[in-house]
Amino acid sequence: GAVVSQHPSRVICKSGTSVKIECRSLDFQATTMFWYRQFPKKSLMLMATSNEGSKATYEQGVEKDKFLINHASLTLSTLTVTSAHPEDSSFYICSARGATGLETQYFGPGTRLLVL
Amino acid sequence: GQNIDQPTEMTATEGAIVQINCTYQTSGFNGLFWYQQHAGEAPTFLSYNVLDGLEEKGRFSSFLSRSKGYSYLLLKELQMKDSASYLCAVMDSNYQLIWGAGTKLIIKP
Repeated sequence: GAVVSQHPSRVICKSGTSVKIECRSLDFQATTMFWYRQFPKKSLMLMATSNEGSKATYEQGVEKDKFLINHASLTLSTLTVTSAHPEDSSFYICSARGATGLETQYFGPGTRLLVL
Repeated sequence: GQNIDQPTEMTATEGAIVQINCTYQTSGFNGLFWYQQHAGEAPTFLSYNVLDGLEEKGRFSSFLSRSKGYSYLLLKELQMKDSASYLCAVMDSNYQLIWGAGTKLIIKP
């Protein structure tokens, strides 16, 4: 099956700093990547959808200036949490999908962010 | 609005069979997915149904009825490692996944 990697797997940072999370599709070209966050024992919450080479589409209530998404190539998307605060602590998961739009989303292993 | 319903939690015994139901109301339909998510981990893909009927894959099977807006995931010969949350997701007319809240499955010895 398709493999998606995510780095780092875990990060602890101080309040006010920025954190970058990378998502890579290792064996397929991901025309679309998705960024989710998940709080403990809660469902996945879609934050934004990014298509290669274009601006990300953010879900309602998600601040685009705080959660910067870049999808510069068919195998890499990045999420930068700017000026992180403790309430940004969460499990961030990316997923990637191929070109046809009907293909399965494959998830990265997730990044656990803790902001002190 | 769009809605995916599945039970919050189910309990079953090791070696038994369990059926997790999912009903949906979405704007358009381009397939239904089941994912497994262990605590603290990202979801992993289990199955995809776009036509009516039963898809079997080892111990896991998934069924779809588009006319009823209904699907189920059937797990046979339950093992302790099957304890996880099972997420139902429907792809709508815009090819976006609409997620259910997940069903936490607890397996008892």
